[in-house]
Amino acid sequence: GAVVSQHPSRVICKSGTSVKIECRSLDFQATTMFWYRQFPKKSLMLMATSNEGSKATYEQGVEKDKFLINHASLTLSTLTVTSAHPEDSSFYICSARAGTRGDTQYFGPGTRLTVL
Amino acid sequence: QKEVEQDPGPLSVPEGAIVSLNCTYSNSAFQYFMWYRQYSRKGPELLMYTYSSGNKEDGRFTAQVDKSSKYISLFIRDSQPSDSATYLCAMSAGGNNRLAFGKGNQVVVIP
Repeated sequence: GAVVSQHPSRVICKSGTSVKIECRSLDFQATTMFWYRQFPKKSLMLMATSNEGSKATYEQGVEKDKFLINHASLTLSTLTVTSAHPEDSSFYICSARAGTRGDTQYFGPGTRLTVL
Repeated sequence: QKEVEQDPGPLSVPEGAIVSLNCTYSNSAFQYFMWYRQYSRKGPELLMYTYSSGNKEDGRFTAQVDKSSKYISLFIRDSQPSDSATYLCAMSAGGNNRLAFGKGNQVVVIP
């Protein structure tokens, strides 16, 4: 149980385009989902917390107009990187909180974004 | 002082050895403690979850939490090459508080 999927697993796009990443909790309902960014050999950096039906809460320094988050249902959250630039290239990982084991978060497999 | 301190390693051990990993933390409000395993280019996978102090064992893995010392540990017995990964400790005070992560400890098990 507690499986989280992400799509796509890898995306390459041109500078200036927008990219949407989906995060789904497959076998549980997640009232809260999180979006992280991870640079090579670095730990996870929380970008935003997404609650179903309400606006996401962004961490300091994260541009909310650039990283659009929508949490449309209890099993789906999306991250859209708008007008992507090469510096946005990174590994993006979502997680979902199951709510039955304290604050345990279950992570998706990640999405590798490369902006040319 | 960072909320969570974890020596990033890397740590190399021969196959069959015991791997010992640990994290220290400063926030006494933390009560949920987790260990995640992350393979290269993959998302973190939950290995162990512990609430408050104590020990928890799951197969070859043992997690220990000592809240009085603000110290948590993960032990891997009979280590295998497939255990080669980065291990992240994470903890939370509960409620809507975010997870605080350690930097991750890279482990290499040599056949």
